Amino acid sequence: AQKVTQAQTEISVVEKEDVTLDCVYETRDTTYYLFWYKQPPSGELVFLIRRNSFDEQNEISGRYSWNFQKSTSSFNFTITASQVVDSAVYFCALSGQNSGYSTLTFGKGTMLLVSP
Amino acid sequence: ETGVTQTPRHLVMGMTNKKSLKCEQHLGHNAMYWYKQSAKKPLELMFVYNFKEQTENNSVPSRFSPECPNSSHLFLHLHTLQPEDSALYLCASSQGKTVSGNTIYFGEGSWLTVV
Repeated sequence: AQKVTQAQTEISVVEKEDVTLDCVYETRDTTYYLFWYKQPPSGELVFLIRRNSFDEQNEISGRYSWNFQKSTSSFNFTITASQVVDSAVYFCALSGQNSGYSTLTFGKGTMLLVSP
Repeated sequence: ETGVTQTPRHLVMGMTNKKSLKCEQHLGHNAMYWYKQSAKKPLELMFVYNFKEQTENNSVPSRFSPECPNSSHLFLHLHTLQPEDSALYLCASSQGKTVSGNTIYFGEGSWLTVV
């Protein structure tokens, strides 16, 4: 069975602070994919990144960076110099080789509140 | 602008009503999904369609009835719902249902309140 744990329910920071959102996953698949989605108050889940299990290189996209560590089954997400517009719920998700299709197992999400 | 559009965005219905949620994807994808998001719960997969064929029904009660007339459109027909069915219903699509890790793209969701 697959499982995604986002232990941080809610994080509050002040604008310009750096913040890291944690994601720990469990899977028996040897090939799998990890995702991060952002959900602003409007409701839409916005795709941020997809990473496959064979690629452990960290990735940076503007103020966003992701740290994938297979040894600890973690795929953490860091926002540098946070902004008010970053306020949202962030979901980590996992799609496994043996699931048979592109379905996702989601964590419970981390609500990020960035205040001015 | 999202490639997956859902209507209506908000719906309030009584327990004896019949209503439908509509989803349309403009991405040329072959697979479409319904997810349910309740307060304080992880997103739950409800149904999966691939090339108009239902490939998964995740133990969803029969008061939820999906319909997929073509690869671009997906409906969720609602009948005799319960207040606990109040949630955000998210439609999504992906290129296919293979195990290659296709990215799933979501719509903005339909907020449903059952009174």
